[in-house]
Amino acid sequence: QVQLVQSGAEVKKPGSSVKVSCKASGGPFTSYGIPWVRQAPGQGLEWMGAIIPRTGTTIYAQKFEGRVTITTDESTTTAYMELSSLRSNDTAIYYCATGSRGVINMWGQGTLVSVSS
Amino acid sequence: DIQMTQSPSTLSASVGDRVTITCRASQSINGWLAWYQQKPGKAPKLLIQKASNLESGVPSRFSGSGSETEFTLTISSLQPDDFATYYCQQYHTYSTFGPGTKVDFK
Repeated sequence: QVQLVQSGAEVKKPGSSVKVSCKASGGPFTSYGIPWVRQAPGQGLEWMGAIIPRTGTTIYAQKFEGRVTITTDESTTTAYMELSSLRSNDTAIYYCATGSRGVINMWGQGTLVSVSS
Repeated sequence: DIQMTQSPSTLSASVGDRVTITCRASQSINGWLAWYQQKPGKAPKLLIQKASNLESGVPSRFSGSGSETEFTLTISSLQPDDFATYYCQQYHTYSTFGPGTKVDFK
């Protein structure tokens, strides 16, 4: 079964960008979509977008369209989520995940991104 | 985007209680709905997919039902391990999570 290991915590200034990585191991990387979900402190889950590694197809939630970019590097079985124009309310734990047909049955450990001046 | 709502936002219950959480979609999602359980500091855990299909290893006291726009998650007899926050998720068109329902001690 695929395991997902994410990059470490980040502290960013407002207006900057952050790129979080998610390395997959132990299973087929290209078979399923990889969504990214975030969770602000004390808040609920927010689906940001997803990529299908096999085709490179990306879909983004309307809220993040134009500000988020999800990519993959098949040679290293790593997915990336880049969020630009950061503001304080982007402070959250960012999760990569995988599963089948949109259902998530495996999550990364999460990456805390803190945005503060 | 399809909007999801859940009710109640908080539910106070006791061990042994029957608990029901409702999730509504802003348009028909044809049963493409999943339920997750999340405990503090942990990633969510998938309980149910396709509205009523229980994941392997999930206790049978959990059940899901519904179609079109209205869905329910039922815990038939609440156990100490079930105190957590529950989220529904539509995956009919892209994906959206509900705002969550926290089940706490009465």
